[in-house]
Amino acid sequence: EAGVTQFPSHSVIEKGQTVTLRCDPISGHDNLYWYRRVMGKEIKFLLHFVKESKQDESGMPNNRFLAERTGGTYSTLKVQPAELEDSGVYFCASSQDQVLQETQYFGPGTRLLVL
Amino acid sequence: AQSVTQPDIHITVSEGASLELRCNYSYGATPYLFWYVQSPGQGLQLLLKYFSGDTLVQGIKGFEAEFKRSQSSFNLRKPSVHWSDAAEYFCAVGLMDTGRRALTFGSGTRLQVQP
Repeated sequence: EAGVTQFPSHSVIEKGQTVTLRCDPISGHDNLYWYRRVMGKEIKFLLHFVKESKQDESGMPNNRFLAERTGGTYSTLKVQPAELEDSGVYFCASSQDQVLQETQYFGPGTRLLVL
Repeated sequence: AQSVTQPDIHITVSEGASLELRCNYSYGATPYLFWYVQSPGQGLQLLLKYFSGDTLVQGIKGFEAEFKRSQSSFNLRKPSVHWSDAAEYFCAVGLMDTGRRALTFGSGTRLQVQP
């Protein structure tokens, strides 16, 4: 079974540009999460999808970030326009059931550097 | 708000030595507790988790963790470290009584293993 995949693995862009990150969850997982780790600090939650619906977007930092999950399969996270402080590692995770005792399975992350 | 503290940013141990990584959490109720590991170039891999029941939890790769309610701790242990255990380790908390799925992570402990 394939794990969570993320694309690209690395991205270097200039301040003011747009970047789109993609996450493909484990097949059959309805729950999809985005997290990020900025500058070696703790990993922080951004948002949670259940299928195509945003269940919890309390961690989204501002309106420069837009997450979508059309069709309830893969998800994209767009940063527009990117700022220097957006640099970090963006992780995606997925889980199967609507049960609190679920396990979130993480992808390898996308390393974003904004210059 | 809940928080997770990993007081050791960096730990170096000799191969074959025992290991204990500390994790303390702050939360009003009993949380779900997780330890994840990130090896270089890899995603976050779940080592073990605690939801309820026996407070000593066994995980993969020979790791175990003990939940101590009185100390609000969930320390990770391994009796004999292997060179392949060099990685970054993250403690995380999930909330049982809110219905939210977001995990709260500590800032991580980077483990170096000396030959």
